[in-house]
Amino acid sequence: EVQLVESGGHLVQPGGSLRLSCAASGFTFSNYWMHWVRQVSGKGLVWVSRVNSDGSGTNYADSVKGRFTISRDNAKNTLYLQINSLRAEDTAVYFCARGRDSSSSGRPLDYWGQGTLVTVSS
Amino acid sequence: DIQMTQSPSSLSASVGDRVTITCRASQTITSYLNWYQQKPGKAPKLLIYGASSLESGVPSRFSGVGSGTDFSLTISSLQPEDFATYYCQQSYITPRTFGQGTKLEIK
Repeated sequence: EVQLVESGGHLVQPGGSLRLSCAASGFTFSNYWMHWVRQVSGKGLVWVSRVNSDGSGTNYADSVKGRFTISRDNAKNTLYLQINSLRAEDTAVYFCARGRDSSSSGRPLDYWGQGTLVTVSS
Repeated sequence: DIQMTQSPSSLSASVGDRVTITCRASQTITSYLNWYQQKPGKAPKLLIYGASSLESGVPSRFSGVGSGTDFSLTISSLQPEDFATYYCQQSYITPRTFGQGTKLEIK
């Protein structure tokens, strides 16, 4: 069974830093691209970042470029999101998701974790 | 960035109704369009990928059509468990933008 479990979200002051983790199991982690998506309470889904299967390629939304860093450790089956210079508008639930990016059809996000809440407030 | 616009933003319907949600991209995305269902407090669930392919395990009452810039998701006969928020997402290029969501409520 595919499982993605996020952790690391908590209350942090503006300007602070945080590292989110996503532990993967039930599939060959190193074969898949991985993504982060966030959602402000009561609002829609916003794509944040993705990393390719071996960690050598990354992409970011403009709103987080330069502050967020996505990475992965395939030996530990874990995805990370380092978040620096946190702002109030970064307050959201952060989901990790598995991407079928190597597929020729759709390249969807087919499995999602339950999310971890990041709250930025003084 | 490619903008994804869903309509309507909300919809009231009854069990057994046929409903259609549309999604328009600001530029062509060929068939790189996916649909997700999200229930309150839960993670999104993939329903349709590649505009029209039904994800494994998803009931056949869900269907998707479209290509280029115009897409739609149809639920042929609403069931109680279908009341949720639905999102389209383009996977043509990054950033992989989502529509703003369509909240499907019970009439």
